[in-house]
Amino acid sequence: GIQVEQSPPDLILQEGANSTLRCNFSDSVNNLQWFHQNPWGQLINLFYIPSGTKQNGRLSATTVATERYSLLYISSSQTTDSGVYFCAVERSFGNEKLTFGTGTRLTIIP
Amino acid sequence: GAGVSQSPSNKVTEKGKDVELRCDPISGHTALYWYRQSLGQGLEFLIYFQGNSAPDKSGLPSDRFSAERTGGSVSTLTIQRTQQEDSAVYLCASSLSGGPQPQHFGDGTRLSIL
Repeated sequence: GIQVEQSPPDLILQEGANSTLRCNFSDSVNNLQWFHQNPWGQLINLFYIPSGTKQNGRLSATTVATERYSLLYISSSQTTDSGVYFCAVERSFGNEKLTFGTGTRLTIIP
Repeated sequence: GAGVSQSPSNKVTEKGKDVELRCDPISGHTALYWYRQSLGQGLEFLIYFQGNSAPDKSGLPSDRFSAERTGGSVSTLTIQRTQQEDSAVYLCASSLSGGPQPQHFGDGTRLSIL
């Protein structure tokens, strides 16, 4: 099956800092989503981004499908950004299931 | 409702008992997925329903697991003769249709097997 690797596994930053999270995948995809899992375990949709660039407030994401990677940018971090960020992909011509990476645990220190 | 609704939010049961977990997808969404999140395995796919098509059961870990979807809406995931390794958070998601669409997740059911 498709492999999804996220880096870094852990990231600790001061409030106000910027960060870049990376997701590499091993095959062509027709669906890529970024999620934030908050401390209560809820999976929050951040972006649906199989290709291109999107922005939503302090967050933006870029997927370069031909090179099989996606980046999530967080600017001016806040403590509420803490949690685990997951990248999930659906392989092209696959069976619509999402394959998740192992996540990046982000901790923002006040 | 506005989002995917799952019940119960927490379930504690004894090893060997059967459990049923419920998922109510977003209204109008024809595709429904079950995943589970456990400490050792991360987030993994279990089963996928799309409309009236036969479900994709390729992710179910054993024949103790089954799921059904009645009337194209509510789904129930059943685990028979539960084992301790079944302890996990079971997440349901729905999307507008099959194919490449964003999937929207419920808050999950945290299952603990004693």
